[in-house]
Amino acid sequence: QVQLMESGGGVVQPGRSLRVSCAASGFIFSDFGMHWVRQAPGTGLEWVALISYDGSDKYYADSVRGRFTISRDNSKNTLFLQMDSLGAEDTAVYFCARGFANSIIDYWGQGTLVSVSS
Amino acid sequence: QSALTQPASVSGSPGQSITISCTGSSSDIGAYNFVSWYQQHPGNAPRLVIYDVGNRPSGVSDRFFGSKSGNTASLTIYGLQPEDEADYYCSSYTPRNTLYVFGSGTRVTVL
Repeated sequence: QVQLMESGGGVVQPGRSLRVSCAASGFIFSDFGMHWVRQAPGTGLEWVALISYDGSDKYYADSVRGRFTISRDNSKNTLFLQMDSLGAEDTAVYFCARGFANSIIDYWGQGTLVSVSS
Repeated sequence: QSALTQPASVSGSPGQSITISCTGSSSDIGAYNFVSWYQQHPGNAPRLVIYDVGNRPSGVSDRFFGSKSGNTASLTIYGLQPEDEADYYCSSYTPRNTLYVFGSGTRVTVL
């Protein structure tokens, strides 16, 4: 079955950087686009970024463009999100999720909490 | 791009039917048949229950029904059951804008 497991979250100071990862299994990772979606405490979902199946195309939400970088290593079935210049507004649980047929986000990991605080 | 608008809460008794609305604009819901719905129990990951307006993934109960009219999508849950108590989020794929926009979320309570 499809499994997505995020890691790398934690507490980071404002202005600093953090990289979170997502290990995928149970499907052919290199066949699917992958997303990051975040959820601030007690609030709703916010789409963050998408990377195409081969890593050639990347898309970002306006709120993170220029600060966050999505990437993938298909040889290791792993998705990454490099987050720079972090601010309090970036505090959230970060979910990795699988994309399907462009329009669908079908499977989600359990998420990793990133807390930006001094 | 603003989040799609959902009611904050909807409630119903076991066996009843409830409907959650999701209102967008002519740039997202009104422009494409790419509306999805997600169920999220507290502390858990979201689970896809409807995609492309009215399609159910394998394993999702046929008590979940999705539809759309103009700029508003709807999720109806028939025969409400205790395990349906959760948060529900709509989303729209908008290839000419922010790509994906989510709704504000609706807490469903089974009385």
